[in-house]
Amino acid sequence: DVKVTQSSRYLVKRTGEKVFLECVQDMDHENMFWYRQDPGLGLRLIYFSYDVKMKEKGDIPEGYSVSREKKERFSLILESASTNQTSMYLCASSRPPGLAGDEQFFGPGTRLTVL
Amino acid sequence: RKEVEQDPGPFNVPEGATVAFNCTYSNSASQSFFWYRQDCRKEPKLLMSVYSSGNEDGRFTAQLNRASQYISLLIRDSKLSDSATYLCVVRGNNAGNMLTFGGGTRLMVKP
Repeated sequence: DVKVTQSSRYLVKRTGEKVFLECVQDMDHENMFWYRQDPGLGLRLIYFSYDVKMKEKGDIPEGYSVSREKKERFSLILESASTNQTSMYLCASSRPPGLAGDEQFFGPGTRLTVL
Repeated sequence: RKEVEQDPGPFNVPEGATVAFNCTYSNSASQSFFWYRQDCRKEPKLLMSVYSSGNEDGRFTAQLNRASQYISLLIRDSKLSDSATYLCVVRGNNAGNMLTFGGGTRLMVKP
């Protein structure tokens, strides 16, 4: 089974802190994604990566950056956390589209609260 | 207008009922379509892909109407365990496998 793990289930940070959210997948997937999920807004794509050291902006990249130094690991960075970044953060991974089993597999999520 | 729109519900149905959800999408170039299920406080998981010819998986049937740009999910003989949020998901013609998610439809099956 595909396994996507995230470093924390719950995280509480203060405004202005630098926050690292880590995601690791064990299926050698090329693509990895970071989303945030908010009530009434659904899942929104922050950043994605289709290869090591490659990254692309999603729909809401402002206030975030990412790092992918190894294929299995994709990190989301909040340079200076703000209260409007309080949310559920979900990481996902997948094979390239068109290949069998190309659905996205999600990690359990990190619920981040910024005070 | 949202790219993928769903009725948020909740749909409250008794066990054994048949329930149907619809979803509309705005990008006519969309290539692939999916239904994901998300349980409360859990991550989304793929329920089924949606093919142009329609497809069935047990009690679940998915249909796609490209001309009208909508997707449907039919659940027959609802079980208590079907209670969840169902996410309509669309993929455009992109190499990065980027998905666009609807806001989800919440289903509550009552005894």
